[in-house]
Amino acid sequence: NAGVTQTPKFQVLKTGQSMTLQCAQDMNHNSMYWYRQDPGMGLRLIYYSASEGTTDKGEVPNGYNVSRLNKREFSLRLESAAPSQTSVYFCASSEAVGLNTEAFFGQGTRLTVV
Amino acid sequence: GQQVMQIPQYQHVQEGEDFTTYCNSSTTLSNIQWYKQRPGGHPVFLIQLVKSGEVKKQKRLTFQFGEAKKNSSLHITATQTTDVGTYFCAVSNDYKLSFGAGTTVTVRA
Repeated sequence: NAGVTQTPKFQVLKTGQSMTLQCAQDMNHNSMYWYRQDPGMGLRLIYYSASEGTTDKGEVPNGYNVSRLNKREFSLRLESAAPSQTSVYFCASSEAVGLNTEAFFGQGTRLTVV
Repeated sequence: GQQVMQIPQYQHVQEGEDFTTYCNSSTTLSNIQWYKQRPGGHPVFLIQLVKSGEVKKQKRLTFQFGEAKKNSSLHITATQTTDVGTYFCAVSNDYKLSFGAGTTVTVRA
């Protein structure tokens, strides 16, 4: 049981380049999330998807787009990368039914924009 | 912005001592979760609290939800080197899961 799988684990981009971070979960969870983590800032929510076919903005959505491709997959796209987007990105999923809101996280993607 | 504030941001603890980290909100919370992230790792769920005044224990960790459901605490007794990491509280609201900034714990042997 792989849980939540993120690819790639590491990436270096030049300013202005684009890329897509992939995330897939095999737990049949309804909700999926993308966070960025910067020193001293904790985990800030970029976008989330409450269920297949829906996406909503979180706290810091500017510069990002997302796609909930199906129930398993939730991708995050940077259209024109900026140095301020250098961060560690985590994908998470949750059953999000009743009190079952425990989130499971992927291993993270360390992104550097130069 | 973040719905919950965590204090302190950093906690330096002598091995064997106790410490407490706090999570505070200006609004009433429906539930609160706690996660631990080891250095270089990803957040891992520890526990969820739902009821007013609820207290749950996991070995040396004691979690408490305030009577007014506006704050929560994590108390660790007899700190060990395995307790090193960042502890986050998180709140779930309409499928949106938001985290506090975390308390980063270091342990002096």
